[in-house]
Amino acid sequence: GQQLNQSPQSMFIQEGEDVSMNCTSSSIFNTWLWYKQDPGEGPVLLIALYKAGELTSNGRLTAQFGITRKDSFLNISASIPSDVGIYFCAGTLNFGNEKLTFGTGTRLTIIP
Amino acid sequence: DAGITQSPRYKITETGRQVTLMCHQTWSHSYMFWYRQDLGHGLRLIYYSAAADITDKGEVPDGYVVSRSKTENFPLTLESATRSQTSVYFCASSGTSGGEETQYFGPGTRLLVL
Repeated sequence: GQQLNQSPQSMFIQEGEDVSMNCTSSSIFNTWLWYKQDPGEGPVLLIALYKAGELTSNGRLTAQFGITRKDSFLNISASIPSDVGIYFCAGTLNFGNEKLTFGTGTRLTIIP
Repeated sequence: DAGITQSPRYKITETGRQVTLMCHQTWSHSYMFWYRQDLGHGLRLIYYSAAADITDKGEVPDGYVVSRSKTENFPLTLESATRSQTSVYFCASSGTSGGEETQYFGPGTRLLVL
C-alpha cells in the first residue's frame, strides 16, 4: 500500500518557537489533510488542502500542498502550551476524505 | 448529544473471545470508517462503509467483521480476538465522497486482549 513518511517523529521546543513538520509520499495524492490528536481523544482536522501548490492558513497554522503532489508541510508559529499533541498528515487519491492514508505522526512537546 | 460516539471506551478481553465495538453518529453521514492506531503505524483503515448495507475492506481487514444495517451505526466485531488486536480503535464518519467533507473521529475504544 501507499506509504506516508512523516518527520520528525518527535519535537521538543520551547513556548514561542515556530514548528515545522512535513510528510512525503511514495505516490501522488489529490487531497492532503493535517490532523491533531490530544491525549485520549480522536484526531481533529486542522487544515485540508485540495490543490497542488495550495497554501492555506488556520490561525497560527499554515500548510502547503506540494507542487509534485507527493508532499505537504505544516508550520505552527509562536507555539503555545495547547499545541502539545500528536500531529498527523493524511492523504487520499480522492477529492475528499475517502480511504485516507495516515502518516505515523509527529509528537510535539513544549518544554516549560 | 449530537456527534459520534463509541462504546465501550475501554475493554479487556481474552484471546479467542468475540468482541463487538460500537459506533454511533447523529449526523446522518453516509460514510463511516474504522481505524486502529498502534505505535509506529499511525492510523490504519480496517473497514469502511459508503452507505447502509455497503461495506468495503481497508488496509488491515483480517480478523474483523463489520455491518451497516442502519446509517447511524457501524459496529466492528472481532470474531476471535488475538493479542495482536490489542490497539486503540477509532470510528469516523463523513458526509460525502468527492466533496470537501472532513472525517470526524470518535473518542476511541482502548482494547486489551490478554
